[in-house]
Amino acid sequence: DAGITQSPRHKVTETGTPVTLRCHQTENHRYMYWYRQDPGHGLRLIHYSYGVKDTDKGEVSDGYSVSRSKTEDFLLTLESATSSQTSVYFCAIRRDGNNEQFFGPGTRLTVL
Amino acid sequence: ELKVEQNPLFLSMQEGKNYTIYCNYSTTSDRLYWYRQDPGKSLESLFVLLSNGAVKQEGRLMASLDTKARLSTLHITAAVHDLSATYFCAVDPGNYQLIWGAGTKLIIKP
Repeated sequence: DAGITQSPRHKVTETGTPVTLRCHQTENHRYMYWYRQDPGHGLRLIHYSYGVKDTDKGEVSDGYSVSRSKTEDFLLTLESATSSQTSVYFCAIRRDGNNEQFFGPGTRLTVL
Repeated sequence: ELKVEQNPLFLSMQEGKNYTIYCNYSTTSDRLYWYRQDPGKSLESLFVLLSNGAVKQEGRLMASLDTKARLSTLHITAAVHDLSATYFCAVDPGNYQLIWGAGTKLIIKP
């Protein structure tokens, strides 16, 4: 357990509404990641952060934005949710040294 | 393009049998990771392999890394039902991210 929590754990929303998912860590890790997991697509990187206010895009960043104003919190925002963003979203941290990643419990998002 | 290929993608086997999952990758790397995911759950780190020839074992699972062949294996010995899960390998290409395999769904039948 790397002290990672995600909120909410489940969310149902409607197309066109904004949604923010939160990832919180307690161990002061520098790198944090947002992934989405869909059947047939495995794990895909959305955005990552390498420090406070330092973020960059992953392979599937369109339609998503992120913010990191504190070391412990990494927020993922869907500005206007679409049905294609229905997915399970995982946050992860990277442990220094061996670069091992540890995952939060996930957020199941359904966009109707 | 950096690629990580796992095979098989699906594996159904009987309890008590041995089997191997393969993870091939296309980039130079000496760091490879294995994860387990149970249905509806998050990913759990199983093994971290940090050099050529590295071998790690935990219970009925053993992972190894051959960086020259760009190949890692996850060997299951005398499988039991509790090992049913999806197993992912991931490679560290030396930058900020990991490159993930598609996962191997393992079903072990009593």
